[in-house]
This record gives sequence, C-alpha cells and structure tokens, in this order.
Amino acid sequence: KAGVTQTPRYLIKTRGQQVTLSCSPISGHRSVSWYQQTPGQGLQFLFEYFSETQRNKGNFPGRFSGRQFSNSRSEMNVSTLELGDSALYLCASRDRGITGELFFGEGSRLTVL
Amino acid sequence: LAKTTQPISMDSYEGQEVNITCSHNNIATNDYITWYQQFPSQGPRFIIQGYKTKVTNEVASLFIPADRKSSTLSLPRVSLSDTAVYYCLVGDRDYGGATNKLIFGTGTLLAVQP
Repeated sequence: KAGVTQTPRYLIKTRGQQVTLSCSPISGHRSVSWYQQTPGQGLQFLFEYFSETQRNKGNFPGRFSGRQFSNSRSEMNVSTLELGDSALYLCASRDRGITGELFFGEGSRLTVL
Repeated sequence: LAKTTQPISMDSYEGQEVNITCSHNNIATNDYITWYQQFPSQGPRFIIQGYKTKVTNEVASLFIPADRKSSTLSLPRVSLSDTAVYYCLVGDRDYGGATNKLIFGTGTLLAVQP
C-alpha cells in the first residue's frame, strides 16, 4: 500500500504570494489532517478533514485554508505569505475516527523570502 | 488552552531503558494518548497509543496514571537507531465540547550514545 504523498517537497515563495500544497492519503483513508512544524513552535495542528468536511481546526489565521476532494485528496492554501510561514507542512491520514493512528507524509518545506 | 510539555532532551546509552514523560493537564475525557517518533527530514511515525493504565507493544510501553494528566513512554534497551525526537499527542478539550483539536507535545530529542 502506498504511503501518504505530499507535493511539492520543496518550494520557495516571496512575501505576499500564495501557495497551495497537495496531499494524497493512503488508499481507503478518509481523514486528512495538516500540521505546521517550525523550530520555534514545534508541531502545530492546522485542520482536519473527513469526507470532504472540515472536522477540526487549530488556532491559525484565516489565511490558512484547506479542502478535501471526493477521492480524499486534500489541499491546503496559504494566502498573503509572511516570513513566519516558512515551515515544514506535514499531512497525515487515518482510516477512522479521532483515535486512529496518523500516517504522515514526508512534508512540504516552504521557504518564504 | 491545553499545554502539553515534555523534556527538551535526554541522553542515554545503548542497552539502557529510557522513560520519557509528557504532561497534559487538560486532556479530553474521551481522548487517547499517542506517541510518535520523528527522524530528520521525515514525518512522525506512530509508536504506541493508550487510554489508561499500561499498554505494551513490540517496541515500547506506555504508562498512564489514573488521573491521565501525564503519560510515560518507555523504550527498553535503546539502540543508536532510536536517536530521534519523540512527541506525545493528545486531544484538547474544546470550549464547546464538540471538536477535538490535536495538541502535540513540545518534543524530546533522545540522543543514544554507544
């Protein structure tokens, strides 16, 4: 079974631009969640989608948004990029409810200049 | 807001048992406690999950006291390849009681030496 796939793996943007990151979950998994990882703040939960509906949301500004498609693939978007948005963005999928094991992708490393 | 804290780092030698504790003072009543391992340039990987008392699998044990406000990951006989960052993960009690935000601990860098 293929693992969680995130694209792109690396990208560089400038302040004010927007970015879209993609995540393909493990086949059969209906839940996809997103996380931001930085040296200063650690791993922070962004949001979780289940069957195309946002189920949970962390404490991030509205510039961070996401969606999930009918095939469970998910995208997250960050608009009006700031220097502080530079981070590793991780996606995880799981096959059942809140207690299910999370399977992580390798992440998308975003650098904002 | 829930705060989930761990020691920043720990040192150990090969063959020793390592215990890493996580404090989660606002854990949700129905939430599980999960531990993950992360190597550089990789996503976290599941180690073990529990709700109360003790859970054991082929790689680790998880001890959870009755009040569930902390948990301890126990790694028996560590090796050099266990050098990594270890995170605990719990849900966060939402004010409305409906959602279940996921709160990662601050992470513990375990360094295993020969």
